[in-house]
Amino acid sequence: DVVMTQSPLSLPVTLGQPASISCRSGQRLVHSDGHTYLNWFHQRPGQSPRRLIYEVSNRGSGVPDRFSGSGSGTDFTLKISRVEAEDVGIYYCMQGTHWPYTFGQGTKLEIK
Amino acid sequence: EVQLVESGGGLVQPGRSLTLSCIASGFSFGDFAMSWVRQAPGKGLEWVGFIRRKGYGGTTEYDASVKGRFTISRDDSKSIAYLEMNSLKTEDTAVYYCARGGMVRGDSLDYWGQGTLVTVSS
Repeated sequence: DVVMTQSPLSLPVTLGQPASISCRSGQRLVHSDGHTYLNWFHQRPGQSPRRLIYEVSNRGSGVPDRFSGSGSGTDFTLKISRVEAEDVGIYYCMQGTHWPYTFGQGTKLEIK
Repeated sequence: EVQLVESGGGLVQPGRSLTLSCIASGFSFGDFAMSWVRQAPGKGLEWVGFIRRKGYGGTTEYDASVKGRFTISRDDSKSIAYLEMNSLKTEDTAVYYCARGGMVRGDSLDYWGQGTLVTVSS
């Protein structure tokens, strides 16, 4: 299975400041069809996950433009340009290139 | 509005069976793969498996931890996806989410249900 390693696991951030989460995969995530299936999800406490980013850098429907994704190969990053109170929760990366699809262990974002 | 509503969770003894349902609305159900993801209490997300749409054979993929015990199926006429769980183990205790896959692949996960809790305990 492809191991997805996120860092940091805990991320205290001041409101209005930027935040960045790294996700590293154990194998390259370029599919044979040329696409890179790397998604990012956000889960608020007590809620279902919500997809933020798909295929590395595409924002999902209704996702604020303060969220951005980047990366290639085995190294990927989720950035929040200015953290808002509603951004608290756990962020997961997930690869959909190799079966079984696998998630990172999660990064908990909290407000300082 | 896309909605996914899971049901069927509850307390079940080890070795017994349980079937979860995911009722979909707000989109053309038959055009999408459907996925199941679980989350053990206080833990992260884990793929269970997915079912492709009929146009791509309606075939299934499962994580090794559930393969041979769990079966995913779909009834496009009712817009329902099912997760049949047999020979349940205590480690299967989790909130089970259904999520919409893509039109070709299972990994899109652009919409999620609210989840249903399965507790496996004697």
